[in-house]
Amino acid sequence: SAVISQKPSRDICQRGTSLTIQCQVDSQVTMMFWYRQQPGQSLTLIATANQGSEATYESGFVIDKFPISRPNLTFSTLTVSNMSPEDSSIYLCSVEDYGGYTFGSGTRLTVV
Amino acid sequence: GQQLNQSPQSMFIQEGEDVSMNCTSSSIFNTWLWYKQDPGEGPVLLIALYKAGELTSNGRLTAQFGITRKDSFLNISASIPSDVGIYFCAGLPSYNTDKLIFGTGTRLQVFP
Repeated sequence: SAVISQKPSRDICQRGTSLTIQCQVDSQVTMMFWYRQQPGQSLTLIATANQGSEATYESGFVIDKFPISRPNLTFSTLTVSNMSPEDSSIYLCSVEDYGGYTFGSGTRLTVV
Repeated sequence: GQQLNQSPQSMFIQEGEDVSMNCTSSSIFNTWLWYKQDPGEGPVLLIALYKAGELTSNGRLTAQFGITRKDSFLNISASIPSDVGIYFCAGLPSYNTDKLIFGTGTRLQVFP
């Protein structure tokens, strides 16, 4: 199955700043997915990122707050902009892989 | 966004006991996936199900795709301490087969 490297693994950030999370896959994939997992909660899809086109955002998530880049078929970034404590979550990227979905180990973000 | 109803929310069992958890939806699903998430990690795929009625095993784990296509269950037999973690069901609904939707999770604690 695909191997996903996600960086950073964790960070503590000041409110009002932005953090960019990187996701690298060891194989070419058409779609990459970004999820948020709030403390003690399940995973919620933020957006789907296709190479060469704008990301598709789910209800409740907007591009200004969560801009996404997808420069090639193995890499994507998610930026969490103008952060507030409510953005403290685990952010995960995922790819479709042989009928299932593989996830990175996540970025644990704490906003203070 | 939509989430699948997963129960029970948490389980506290003794080592050696069997465990059963299930996931239900009001919509029809084409694929059901079961994941386990350990602390500080992303979800790891345990079992994938693609057809109504399908019963699939992975070691001590067995999962079934409900005949109505609106539910799935996961059984763990003879639990061991390393089974501790959070188990999530996830599925691809028939109305959007690109969007993986997650259940609310079952937190499993195993006591020796």
